[in-house]
Formats: sequence, structure tokens, C-alpha cells
Amino acid sequence: DAMVIQNPRYQVTQFGKPVTLSCSQTLNHNVMYWYQQKSSQAPKLLFHYYDKDFNNEADTPDNFQSRRPNTSFCFLDIRSPGLGDAAMYLCATSRGRGLEDNEQFFGPGTRLTVL
Amino acid sequence: KQEVTQIPAALSVPEGENLVLNCSFTDSAIYNLQWFRQDPGKGLTSLLLIQSSQREQTSGRLNASLDKSSGRSTLYIAASQPGDSATYLCAVRPHTNAGKSTFGDGTTLTVKP
Repeated sequence: DAMVIQNPRYQVTQFGKPVTLSCSQTLNHNVMYWYQQKSSQAPKLLFHYYDKDFNNEADTPDNFQSRRPNTSFCFLDIRSPGLGDAAMYLCATSRGRGLEDNEQFFGPGTRLTVL
Repeated sequence: KQEVTQIPAALSVPEGENLVLNCSFTDSAIYNLQWFRQDPGKGLTSLLLIQSSQREQTSGRLNASLDKSSGRSTLYIAASQPGDSATYLCAVRPHTNAGKSTFGDGTTLTVKP
């Protein structure tokens, strides 16, 4: 009964080779988030979707893009991964963004290694 | 800009001890505060969510409190067990940007048998 699923769990890519990470959810939540977490650091929000409305964080590099083709799926595309992009990428969902419905539920993460 | 601090960064206790983890934040205009647990190499598991209008939440051996005016939250763990060993993170959601949570760096807890 997994609720937020991330694939793959481990991804190895080469410097500069585009990579896509996948997130799906069975909760039918309106909001989906992508976070980057480096070792021993706090998760850093990259962007989120409220339904189809894309919300980018001001300091998210252009190298990071996202797509949400439907309610259940959201993808993180890294166009030209650098060594500094090696991290854990976490997907999360919430029913909404209001006071009563913004509790976040996280997936297991994808560990990205850049060679 | 909201800043969230968790002190200490690491804590080691013997099994059975009651303990308190701290989270402080600089901007008290928050929607809610959420405590998470993260095991090594894994995602985050939600433990407790406290809305801005609440003062505490309890789940089993866990109790989280919130004092907005002083910008503090505590997570109390009763009768700690080795299985409680993990990193505990707090995250605050602001009123002004409903989509963005700010996380602390976490406290890594080790409970020794």
C-alpha cells in the first residue's frame, strides 16, 4: 500500500548526461514537491506543482526542470548533471496548501550519483 | 527569511531514557510545524503535525509541543528504544508562501542498548 513511490531508488549517470527521476502517488493529492537533500543537510525545495500550476523556487538552477503529465505522476529532469548535483532527491505530496490539508508525505527518495 | 535551527546536531542516550529534541525558528508567522524521522539513505516519515492554533500533538511515545511566540518546538520521546535511532527533522510552513516548508538540518539520535 505504498503511497508515494519513487523510481529508481538509485540512479547513476555520467557528467552532463541527462537524467529523469520519477515520482508517482496513490493519494490523489493536488500538490507534489521535489526536494534535493545533500549529505547531513536539510532538504531543499526545488519546485512544486499545485495541480498543474508550476511553482519554481527562485534559487533553483535552470538545469532542473519538472513535468507533471497527470495527477499521479511527476518527473524531475536534470538536463546536464554536474558533480554538485549528486544528492538524494525526495518527492513529497500534500492534499492541498491550506491550513488543514498541507501535511506532507514523502517517498523513499532516489539517490543520484554523478560520475 | 525563515531560518530553522535544530540543536544539538547529534545526541546519544542509553535505552530507556526520556529525551527532548529542540527546533527553533525565526519567523513566528507559520501555518504549521511538522516533525519527521529519516533513517539513513531513506525518505522522510511524518511523525507529528502541529497546526499554528495548537500547542501540542501526541502519538504513542512521542509528544510535540509548539510555542509560536518564542519560535520553539520540542519533540519529546519517552522510554527511548534502539529502534528510535534516526535523524529527526522539523519543518515549518509559512503563511506567506503556502507551498514552501523550511527544514532544519536535523538531530541525529543514537539510542544505545
